[in-house]
Amino acid sequence: IAGITQAPTSQILAAGRRMTLRCTQDMRHNAMYWYRQDLGLGLRLIHYSNTAGTTGKGEVPDGYSVSRANTDDFPLTLASAVPSQTSVYFCASSETGAQPQHFGDGTRLSIL
Amino acid sequence: DQQVKQNSPSLSVQEGRISILNCDYTNSMFDYFLWYKKYPAEGPTFLISISSIKDKNEDGRFTVFLNKSAKHLSLHIVPSQPGDSAVYFCAASARKRGSTLGRLYFGRGTQLTVWP
Repeated sequence: IAGITQAPTSQILAAGRRMTLRCTQDMRHNAMYWYRQDLGLGLRLIHYSNTAGTTGKGEVPDGYSVSRANTDDFPLTLASAVPSQTSVYFCASSETGAQPQHFGDGTRLSIL
Repeated sequence: DQQVKQNSPSLSVQEGRISILNCDYTNSMFDYFLWYKKYPAEGPTFLISISSIKDKNEDGRFTVFLNKSAKHLSLHIVPSQPGDSAVYFCAASARKRGSTLGRLYFGRGTQLTVWP
């Protein structure tokens, strides 16, 4: 079934460690996004990519980095995790920037 | 500053009745609005959208109304079913502006509970 795959589904991580959340889509969508969802705050955009080879910062980019080497993959890296990065992370994609976004099932990340 | 606001964190409705979820926005450049539904342990799924050139869009039991002068939109679910119980997120985008093309601004969500 076509869609977005996120890995891992959940992770407990010690503060200060490096972590990469993986996101792969097989819909050949041009645009991809990373959001974090925190209780009472809704979904907030971390980084986005309108097309392979380009990335941009969202609302809450600090402490995160992304890369878009090809159309299908959009990994999110926490260089040195901190407890405030405990959250549920969602990857999304859309055919173009003007179309509704499709979401993966999320990665639940706990930083201790 | 929250550009998209859902002021009701929760709503409880009896099965068969109408559910009305509300959303307000502050940015007059927004021209495309969406509703997403989210079940626990799943990602949000797209439900329905509306462009600012319309004031109503209908899809089965779901209708979205847009009042541009009031910067307000609402989602009506008629009749409500227990399977509609989920968190509903309102989102907005300024599709015509290159720097924000495709970026969605989300509200904080409303938990809808439909009871038998």
